[in-house]
Amino acid sequence: GIQVEQSPPDLILQEGANSTLRCNFSDSVNNLQWFHQNPWGQLINLFYIPSGTKQNGRLSATTVATERYSLLYISSSQTTDSGVYFCAVVLQTGANNLFFGTGTRLTVIP
Amino acid sequence: GAGVSQTPSNKVTEKGKYVELRCDPISGHTALYWYRQSLGQGPEFLIYFQGTGAADDSGLPNDRFFAVRPEGSVSTLKIQRTERGDSAVYLCASSFTPHGGTEAFFGQGTRLTVV
Repeated sequence: GIQVEQSPPDLILQEGANSTLRCNFSDSVNNLQWFHQNPWGQLINLFYIPSGTKQNGRLSATTVATERYSLLYISSSQTTDSGVYFCAVVLQTGANNLFFGTGTRLTVIP
Repeated sequence: GAGVSQTPSNKVTEKGKYVELRCDPISGHTALYWYRQSLGQGPEFLIYFQGTGAADDSGLPNDRFFAVRPEGSVSTLKIQRTERGDSAVYLCASSFTPHGGTEAFFGQGTRLTVV
């Protein structure tokens, strides 16, 4: 089956620092989404980004579908950015569901 | 509604009991999915509905799990003879079309604890 690997698995940042999270996937995909799971368990949509680059405030994301990876950039991190970041993909052929990556746990310290 | 709504937020049940978990998707979303998230892991697919029918139930772990969506909107996930290993957060997601074509939105989840 498809492999969706995220790195790093854990990240600790000082408030105000920048970071890059990576998602590698092993098959061609139709859809890629980045989510932030907050401490209460809610999955918050960050980006729907099957390809290209998008920006939303301090966050931006880039997906290079032909090379099977996506990057999430967080600038000027804040304590509220803490939580687990997941990327999730939908295969180009076969199942219609999201396959989630292993997650990156981010802790931002003041 | 404004977002995907799941009830209850928390459910504690005794081993062997029957439980029902409810999902109310975003209005107009025809695709509805159930996922299960165990501690420390990402969500895993259970079942997908397109309209009223289960288009893919390949993720259901065994025949104790069943889900319905009789009118193409609200869905209920049913678990019979619950086991301690069923303890997890059950997440519902909806999208305008199947996940491959449009963005998926998740509810806040139901945390199921089987004691």
